[in-house]
Amino acid sequence: ETGVTQTPRHLVMGMTNKKSLKCEQHLGHNAMYWYKQSAKKPLELMFVYNFKEQTENNSVPSRFSPECPNSSHLFLHLHTLQPEDSALYLCASSQDWASGILYEQYFGPGTRLTVT
Amino acid sequence: AQSVTQPDIHITVSEGASLELRCNYSYGATPYLFWYVQSPGQGLQLLLKYFSGDTLVQGIKGFEAEFKRSQSSFNLRKPSVHWSDAAEYFCAVGANDYKLSFGAGTTVTVRA
Repeated sequence: ETGVTQTPRHLVMGMTNKKSLKCEQHLGHNAMYWYKQSAKKPLELMFVYNFKEQTENNSVPSRFSPECPNSSHLFLHLHTLQPEDSALYLCASSQDWASGILYEQYFGPGTRLTVT
Repeated sequence: AQSVTQPDIHITVSEGASLELRCNYSYGATPYLFWYVQSPGQGLQLLLKYFSGDTLVQGIKGFEAEFKRSQSSFNLRKPSVHWSDAAEYFCAVGANDYKLSFGAGTTVTVRA
């Protein structure tokens, strides 16, 4: 595997279910991101991890819970979601920004989530 | 905070014709600028980036972009489009940390 992978690619869940999205990067990066992409809206940054430490929680509802066990893996745990949470969830990774340089982010293919 | 505007929601272009996608940004200093492309059902792929130096940047798939500080723009161009260029294109701007601000995207349709 190369780049950034995400599983599952598609997920349908009821509002009372609990599920998890998984992201893995094979690029040797130290930073990982979760984004939400809704139709015709700019990407919304949800969470950022740098060297396994969470550095951003962009006012995301508590029904979304991230986990970063190491620099290569990132999870998004979902519970009691709402229909408006249906979207494409994208994971990305990059080199860290400790040097003051912003490096490009590499994206996975996304998980298409439908909440019924 | 930085922000990005992509004025064109949808552009239709004939195969073999030239393409230009507009991007305007708002940021006080010299920003980091990126163009990404997203094909249906896929994630975002980096086309090119500008950090400093030459204001005309070459990217993959025959794309180029020009940074114009006086116009706060970073427009993407391709001299001759192929049917495979049909996709959604996103401009993004960042500062010296991790936060990227993305535009809402421009959908490109290529007609035969």
